[in-house]
Amino acid sequence: QKEVEQNSGPLSVPEGAIASLNCTYSDRGSQSFFWYRQYSGKSPELIMFIYSNGDKEDGRFTAQLNKASQYVSLLIRDSQPSDSATYLCAGNFGNEKLTFGTGTRLTIIP
Amino acid sequence: GAGVSQSPRYKVAKRGQDVALRCDPISGHVSLFWYQQALGQGPEFLTYFQNEAQLDKSGLPSDRFFAERPEGSVSTLKIQRTQQEDSAVYLCASSPNAGGGEKLFFGSGTQLSVL
Repeated sequence: QKEVEQNSGPLSVPEGAIASLNCTYSDRGSQSFFWYRQYSGKSPELIMFIYSNGDKEDGRFTAQLNKASQYVSLLIRDSQPSDSATYLCAGNFGNEKLTFGTGTRLTIIP
Repeated sequence: GAGVSQSPRYKVAKRGQDVALRCDPISGHVSLFWYQQALGQGPEFLTYFQNEAQLDKSGLPSDRFFAERPEGSVSTLKIQRTQQEDSAVYLCASSPNAGGGEKLFFGSGTQLSVL
């Protein structure tokens, strides 16, 4: 069973600070990882994807992948109240489907 | 442009009833996935279609669950003899590529409540 694990939170971060979300996985054959944002009652929305070891930056978001240690993280700089949501980590382990973690609930405190 | 459309948005069923959930993927999208999301959990894979072929149904929880995509476009997820544990949001997602990846788009889901 290929698993993706996340701390369910809730994680509270002051507005303007950096929010750090972490995810670990158990399959060394994993190829690619995705971070989705899901507002309450809404569908998941892709924020970042990362395929290679290292960092990938897009605006206020940075995804980090370390395949040797089997973790992937998402950093959100200058956190805004609109960033308050559940963040889902997902991995593609060599087949077509994505395996999701349980999600981390993030609250940005004004 | 239209996104992935799911209907109904909400469905209330009595235990033992059959239900059918519809997904209209983005036009031309090859891949279609169904996921089940219980409250407070991440989406769990149910089944995957590439065009009309159901290539993976390993996530369907029991033989009460059945999915089809007969013409490679619209898909229907059918649940027979619904049970309370079937209560969840059922998400459909489509992608223009074989498989998912970064071009996977989700619909708004159907929230199923079994009483």
